[in-house]
Amino acid sequence: RKEVEQDPGPFNVPEGATVAFNCTYSNSASQSFFWYRQDCRKEPKLLMSVYSSGNEDGRFTAQLNRASQYISLLIRDSKLSDSATYLCVVNRRGGADGLTFGKGTHLIIQP
Amino acid sequence: NAGVTQTPKFRVLKTGQSMTLLCAQDMNHEYMYWYRQDPGMGLRLIHYSVGEGTTAKGEVPDGYNVSRLKKQNFLLGLESAAPSQTSVYFCATFSGGAETQYFGPGTRLLVL
Repeated sequence: RKEVEQDPGPFNVPEGATVAFNCTYSNSASQSFFWYRQDCRKEPKLLMSVYSSGNEDGRFTAQLNRASQYISLLIRDSKLSDSATYLCVVNRRGGADGLTFGKGTHLIIQP
Repeated sequence: NAGVTQTPKFRVLKTGQSMTLLCAQDMNHEYMYWYRQDPGMGLRLIHYSVGEGTTAKGEVPDGYNVSRLKKQNFLLGLESAAPSQTSVYFCATFSGGAETQYFGPGTRLLVL
C-alpha cells in the first residue's frame, strides 16, 4: 500500500459547484497533515493544515479521520482560479526526513 | 525577505556534463530538502539535511550529491548528467515540528 494515495483525476467541475477530494495514508503514527496546491509549472504551496477537529478557511474545509486514516478537502462555490493540482501531504514522524506527498488530484473548473 | 530561492531557473545539459543547483533560504530553517518531480510520479525526495554540515539520502539519491556548508545554502550536484535526470527540481525548507515545508520556485533541467 502506498504511503499517501489520492485519486489523480482529473475532476472536471462546473464553476460554482462543490467538489470533494479524499486522501488515504498508511502510517497510523502520522502526526500532521496538510493540503498543498500546485499550479502548472509552479512550486507546491500550502493551502491549509488539517486538524483533527476539522478546519475551515473561506470556501475550503479540511477534515481528518484518524480511525480510517483519511483526509478530505471540500471546496464550495468553486472558482475558475481553483483549477490546480491538490496534493495531500503527511508528516509521518514529525521528523527530519520531510513530508510524504501524494501524487495529487487534478481539478479543472469549467466555466 | 526572499524565502527560498533556486538558481538557475532552467538549464540544458548534454549527457555526461556536470552542474550544481543552488538553493538559498533566509528563513533560518534547520532542515532543507531536494526533490524531483516527474509526470505521474509526484515529488520524490533526493537528499536532505538536518543542519549545517549534515546530509542524508532520500528516496532517489543515486546520481546526485549534496553539500550544506552554510545553514542558508543547500547545493545539489550532478556529476555526470543522464537523460533520466531530466526533471523539475524543487528545494524546500522546514523548521521542524508540526510546521510545513516551504518550496523554492523550481529548476527545470533538460539532459540531452
